[in-house]
Amino acid sequence: DSGVTQTPKHLITATGQRVTLRCSPRSGDLSVYWYQQSLDQGLQFLIQYYNGEERAKGNILERFSAQQFPDLHSELNLSSLELGDSALYFCASSPLSGVANEQFFGPGTRLTVL
Amino acid sequence: AQSVTQLGSHVSVSEGALVLLRCNYSSSVPPYLFWYVQYPNQGLQLLLKYTSAATLVKGINGFEAEFKKSETSFHLTKPSAHMSDAAEYFCAVSSYNAGNMLTFGGGTRLMVKP
Repeated sequence: DSGVTQTPKHLITATGQRVTLRCSPRSGDLSVYWYQQSLDQGLQFLIQYYNGEERAKGNILERFSAQQFPDLHSELNLSSLELGDSALYFCASSPLSGVANEQFFGPGTRLTVL
Repeated sequence: AQSVTQLGSHVSVSEGALVLLRCNYSSSVPPYLFWYVQYPNQGLQLLLKYTSAATLVKGINGFEAEFKKSETSFHLTKPSAHMSDAAEYFCAVSSYNAGNMLTFGGGTRLMVKP
């Protein structure tokens, strides 16, 4: 158990809908990262927040957005969902924001878009 | 830009045999390198990381990896495979000029035969 929690574990929805994925980092970790894992794209970095502020951005679609709240939990919002958005979404956390920091991964949220 | 290539999407070894999982990276600045393991239906767990100290890095579960700058490689090895090592393994790179994002390779699924 990494100490990172993600809810829900599974999510099934329809095309065009909007969903919110939630992540609670390990106690004391200030950085939260979001990744998408799909069969065709592999593991891709989406976005990072550090202490409430966006720190780094990867291959995140404009239909997707994220935020980190004052209690440090984070939410990833996916809207106008398409079939291709079906994937496993991971959240990770680390104490700080440096490149050498180990990132601790949550168990993921499996999103299925029908 | 940084990238990671993992040679062999599937590797099969017999129990007790040497495990060798290959990783080559590309980075224009000194990299930080990581190996993560993903067991079925779980998140990623850090096996080991290279952060410019010793070139031979020892990790958990008997795994180790050697950073070879001249070959831009960071191959993962274990002298004797156990059935419990069956999982997917990901090599990842981060560097200062790419923010704090981890760039992952495509993964290698390790199968261990009895």
